[in-house]
Formats: sequence, structure tokens, C-alpha cells
Amino acid sequence: GESVGLHLPTLSVQEGDNSIINCAYSNSASDYFIWYKQESGKGPQFIIDIRSNMDKRQGQRVTVLLNKTVKHLSLQIAATQPGDSAVYFCAEKFGDSWGKLQFGAGTQVVVTP
Amino acid sequence: DTGVSQDPRHKITKRGQNVTFRCDPISEHNRLYWYRQTLGQGPEFLTYFQNEAQLEKSRLLSDRFSAERPKGSFSTLEIQRTEQGDSAMYLCASSLIGQGGSPLHFGNGTRLTVT
Repeated sequence: GESVGLHLPTLSVQEGDNSIINCAYSNSASDYFIWYKQESGKGPQFIIDIRSNMDKRQGQRVTVLLNKTVKHLSLQIAATQPGDSAVYFCAEKFGDSWGKLQFGAGTQVVVTP
Repeated sequence: DTGVSQDPRHKITKRGQNVTFRCDPISEHNRLYWYRQTLGQGPEFLTYFQNEAQLEKSRLLSDRFSAERPKGSFSTLEIQRTEQGDSAMYLCASSLIGQGGSPLHFGNGTRLTVT
């Protein structure tokens, strides 16, 4: 399944399939991006980050792709599991501090059996 | 658990009352951040500290809000004369700046309801 963020805020994925969550960012000068997962009633949980000198970074079952030309970020989740159901946020650094982040509105991922 | 800890988890207060929240960051982290999150939205930056110094405040942080980190460890966020528009999740996060560094790690927040 594939999402375009604000235009498709809910992404339904069958268990075992790959998920792709998309995010458009606003500032072409942004040099750091990060993905968070947020479950109901909990704070955002760090998934993976990427600096602007890279275009791809892999973690455990997740891959982040960065296309600076079109200011686009995506998160790919391999073999989606029920525990992956959550809201996913992309965020970009703004200002001088690495922890000062501008968050997108989020995408709800629902994993169906 | 050595994650970011926030207290209380939930707070219900009447309009006009003062409230204070506490955050204990990850122990070796030198930067501490406060964010606010309303339902269906991403978190919004409010302020941050490096050690005990408050380095930046967002324009979202009205003069009814004050944050402190007196000894460079835990932090408090106080809201005076609460308004219904203050109802939100208040998130604390911490990171390590310096050799190695770390991404921002969030606590589970304090949910404030102003009636």
C-alpha cells in the first residue's frame, strides 16, 4: 500500500505486505529528517532518521528515501505486522537545533489480517 | 526503564487554575524540549534547554507559560490561568548534543484537559 500523506491520511495494508508512507517537506534548505511512530496514548517513538547528504538509509525492516529535488521523503516498512498499526509522522529540522522539528500531519496506518 | 518520564500522565483542571508538569529526560542527555500536540496534529515545538539554559521559545509559548530546568536535569512546564485552548498533550523530549549525538526521544506526554 502507498500513501500521499495529507491527501490520503489513512493507509490500509494487509499483513505481510510492504507499506510506503509518503511525506512532502517544505524547506529546501532542511538538512535533517526523521520518522516517528505514535501509538494511541503514547508519545512519538523514533524509527529512523536521515541527513540531507544521503538519499537512502536502512534500518530493521524500514527504509527511508530522500528525494531533495522534489522535496519528498518516504518510509518503507517491509512485511508489515499488526504491531505496525499507528500514526506515522515525518519531521524536518528547522532552525539551528537538531531537536527543533517541524512535523507533518501524520498518516494513520491500519494493518489488516 | 531509562526513557523520558513525564508526570502526571493526565491532568484535568478548571479554567483559570495553574498547572505544572514535570519531565525527567534520559539521564545523559543535555538537551530537553517541550512540544504540544493537539488531536489529529503533529507535535509543535514550544521551547528547549541546553543544560539549565533556555535557548529558545516559540511564539506559541504565551506569557502564561513558563518552563524551567534549574539544575540541568528535570524540567517543569507551568501554565498559569489555564484556558480551554490549552487542552492538549504536552510532550517532553531529550537528546544528546556532542560527540555521537542522538535523535530526539519523546516521553509519553501529559494530557491536559481544561474544563
